[in-house]
Amino acid sequence: GQNIDQPTEMTATEGAIVQINCTYQTSGFNGLFWYQQHAGEAPTFLSYNVLDGLEEKGRFSSFLSRSKGYSYLLLKELQMKDSASYLCAVLDSNYQLIWGAGTKLIIKP
Amino acid sequence: GAVVSQHPSRVICKSGTSVKIECRSLDFQATTMFWYRQFPKQSLMLMATSNEGSKATYEQGVEKDKFLINHASLTLSTLTVTSAHPEDSSFYICSASLGGLAGVEQYFGPGTRLTVT
Repeated sequence: GQNIDQPTEMTATEGAIVQINCTYQTSGFNGLFWYQQHAGEAPTFLSYNVLDGLEEKGRFSSFLSRSKGYSYLLLKELQMKDSASYLCAVLDSNYQLIWGAGTKLIIKP
Repeated sequence: GAVVSQHPSRVICKSGTSVKIECRSLDFQATTMFWYRQFPKQSLMLMATSNEGSKATYEQGVEKDKFLINHASLTLSTLTVTSAHPEDSSFYICSASLGGLAGVEQYFGPGTRLTVT
């Protein structure tokens, strides 16, 4: 079966750095997405990785290792507004998006 | 760019009635639209995938006669929840993509919170 694993919840301090991991086992791979979802709102796109390596975009970076079936989202200089759920999703061989359950990130002052 | 709207944002209806939710891509033509449902503190659950001009593909366990999907144009898809019951109360989110290699990213609408009393 297809499976996406990410931690259920993480806590970090304002101004710090946090890394949210995602491991996946899917039938084929056409890329991995990270989305941010605030409570009661729809997800918003953060990043898309299809090649191995690190993609940096401002305070957020995303890393992918296809051989390990592994990705992480790195958030730097954490702000209170970063408190949200972070969803990892993989596009499989049929271009179907397989979603992880999401990681709830709690930022403390 | 890539804005997707949904209407209504919130709806309360009585058990047994039907509710229609609209999803529009405002500044691009969406080859494919997706409908998701999300229960509190749970991840997105894909309900169906719809391509313009063809029948929607429903995920296992989703009743196609209860959740009617119409993708009449490249910018509009509708989801109708027929004979709604309290257990249908949820957050319904649509997304749209260009499809295939041209646009794998999904752009999400703001969601519709349905409450069935």
